[in-house]
Amino acid sequence: TQLLEQSPQFLSIQEGENLTVYCNSSSVFSSLQWYRQEPGEGPVLLVTVVTGGEVKKLKRLTFQFGDARKDSSLHITAAQPGDTGLYLCAASGVRDAGNMLTFGGGTRLMVKP
Amino acid sequence: DTEVTQTPKHLVMGMTNKKSLKCEQHMGHRAMYWYKQKAKKPPELMFVYSYEKLSINESVPSRFSPECPNSSLLNLHLHALQPEDSALYLCASSQGGGLAGGPGEQFFGPGTRLTVL
Repeated sequence: TQLLEQSPQFLSIQEGENLTVYCNSSSVFSSLQWYRQEPGEGPVLLVTVVTGGEVKKLKRLTFQFGDARKDSSLHITAAQPGDTGLYLCAASGVRDAGNMLTFGGGTRLMVKP
Repeated sequence: DTEVTQTPKHLVMGMTNKKSLKCEQHMGHRAMYWYKQKAKKPPELMFVYSYEKLSINESVPSRFSPECPNSSLLNLHLHALQPEDSALYLCASSQGGGLAGGPGEQFFGPGTRLTVL
């Protein structure tokens, strides 16, 4: 059983559509990061959320941290082909204290023109 | 300088070869990490160095040998690898000392694509 459940695993949509990716756990997180990774490259940090109920926006991306700090969501408005990639949520404080990250299984997004 | 660099970008090696992967960061981060990532999977933690000392080894086979010469450099020495070790090897760093607590942000390098023949 994964400590951090990410859904959906795969999403294929048309350009201009909206989508939401979810990251859930039964454990409380110290903080949660969202990363985006392109094939053959390293994950790039998009955002860190720390406070329960926190909402952060990055252009067309909206990140939300649950009030109880057990879940998070990433919403993309008007998706573009450049948004294609693997989206990873990663939480710290799930397995132990400190900066150790527990990764979700990832959501592979494909945006078709 | 806000990036983590890794060399080489690609590496092909035979099962009897000895090679090394290199990672460098100049952000003053006190923790550095090695991850292994297979296709379509999330990264799997291998090693953690905190203040230049090995603090976590996730039961990695001895054919992988990490080294932290100083606070900016991290190496991964490879010897007698198997074809199943082929993967993307990622280096990351964080401001906190690995187990010291903090926001947990890790910054990743571009990775080394390793192929073992």
